[in-house]
Amino acid sequence: DIQMTQSPSTLSASVGDRVTITCRASQSINSWLAWYQQKPGKAPKVLIYKASSLESGVPSRFSGGGSGTEFTLTISSLQPDDFATYYCQRYNNNWSFGQGTKVEIK
Amino acid sequence: EVQLVESGGGLVQPGGSLRLSCKVSGFSLSTYWMNWVRQAPGKGLEWVANINQDGSQKYYVDSVKGRFTISRDNAKKSLYLQMNGLRADDTALYYCARGWIAPATGPPLHSWGQGTLVTVSS
Repeated sequence: DIQMTQSPSTLSASVGDRVTITCRASQSINSWLAWYQQKPGKAPKVLIYKASSLESGVPSRFSGGGSGTEFTLTISSLQPDDFATYYCQRYNNNWSFGQGTKVEIK
Repeated sequence: EVQLVESGGGLVQPGGSLRLSCKVSGFSLSTYWMNWVRQAPGKGLEWVANINQDGSQKYYVDSVKGRFTISRDNAKKSLYLQMNGLRADDTALYYCARGWIAPATGPPLHSWGQGTLVTVSS
C-alpha cells in the first residue's frame, strides 16, 4: 500500500512567516493529492486538490505544488487564523492521509 | 447552506454493532459521491468508505472490509454506515463528507459534518 509521510510533524512559526509543509508518497500518485486544514474540535476543511488547485473561497496565500511522489503546501504569509493541523490525502486508489503537521505559534 | 449531520454514535462492546446516519441538507444527495472518514481520539484522519450516487459502487479501507457496510437513501437524504464486529481500534469520531460528482472532478472530500463519536469498550 502507498504510504504518505508528512514533514515536519510540528512546525513553529510566527505571523507573517512563509511556511512550507512537505508530503511524500512511497510511490507515484501523479497529482491525486489534496490538502486539508483542521482546527481543534472542528471538521477538516479542504484547501487544495489535484496537488495545486485552490478550492473556491480559500485565501490565495495557500498554494500547493508537486507531482509524482513529492508535494508541498505553502502558506506565503502566515496569519493568526492559520495555526492548525494540516493533512495531505492521496486519492488515486485506496485513499489515505498523511499523519498531519501541526503549525503552532513560535 | 450545505449541512451534514451525523448521528448514531455511542458506547458499544467489542463485537457489537452500530449504525451511523448522516442527514444532509442544502444540496441534492443524489448528485454526489459520499464518504465516511474517522479520527481516533488525538490521532489523524482515516478514510473509511465511499459510495457512488446510486449505490452501485462502494469502496472500503482494508481494515473495515467485511465488517462495515456503507449505504444511502437519496429520498431520505441520508447516508449510512452499518458497523458490525466492532473492535477497540474502531473507536473514533466518524465524519460523513460530501465527495465529488464524478471521480477526480474537484476535491475528493468537500463538505464535512461535525462527526459522531463511536466508543468500543467493555
